[in-house]
Amino acid sequence: SQQGEEDPQALSIQEGENATMNCSYKTSINNLQWYRQNSGRGLVHLILIRSNEREKHSGRLRVTLDTSKKSSSLLITASRAADTASYFCATAYSGGYQKVTFGTGTKLQVIP
Amino acid sequence: ETGVTQSPTHLIKTRGQQVTLRCSSQSGHNTVSWYQQALGQGPQFIFQYYREEENGRGNFPPRFSGLQFPNYSSELNVNALELDDSALYLCASSPNRGMIGSDTQYFGPGTRLTVL
Repeated sequence: SQQGEEDPQALSIQEGENATMNCSYKTSINNLQWYRQNSGRGLVHLILIRSNEREKHSGRLRVTLDTSKKSSSLLITASRAADTASYFCATAYSGGYQKVTFGTGTKLQVIP
Repeated sequence: ETGVTQSPTHLIKTRGQQVTLRCSSQSGHNTVSWYQQALGQGPQFIFQYYREEENGRGNFPPRFSGLQFPNYSSELNVNALELDDSALYLCASSPNRGMIGSDTQYFGPGTRLTVL
């Protein structure tokens, strides 16, 4: 079963605009991670935010985490055509082993 | 490039057959996880191996089994294939526990399995 739900399911924007994707989850977590997937191939790790952190930046990426609302958002600023991909949030909980549970994904299209 | 490789890239099998998928982790990564990703869905956790022992399993039946070898390679075996097993199978390796970044997974490109 999927732990997270991404919103929106699909997003189409013009190059240069900002893209915001949201993720909601159901249970306690140790950390939340965002991944990118191009054309149904392997996933690329983008950023990890721990449960005691509220905001994290990496280049054009900004991730926020609100554990009281069990939600996270990923902001991509100044989007580029190369950002076109599916984006997944993944929650991780360590209970003997680190179980990572992925959400349903947001399909982002950046139009040149 | 994550340094994680998978073989084969594509595979076509018929219902009832058995399949073995292979993964080669990055050197020094002693944890490997396998995921099944159906079309249009997020990856679903199958199981995780740590130091050649299965130490976590998702909601998959026993006909999904695995092995991890000392040389950082691993296998996913699926017996009695069903049509619903058609999916992209991904392996992901993680650095040794306790080391910086040990909670980050590095994914291979996947094996696309089609069951007819």
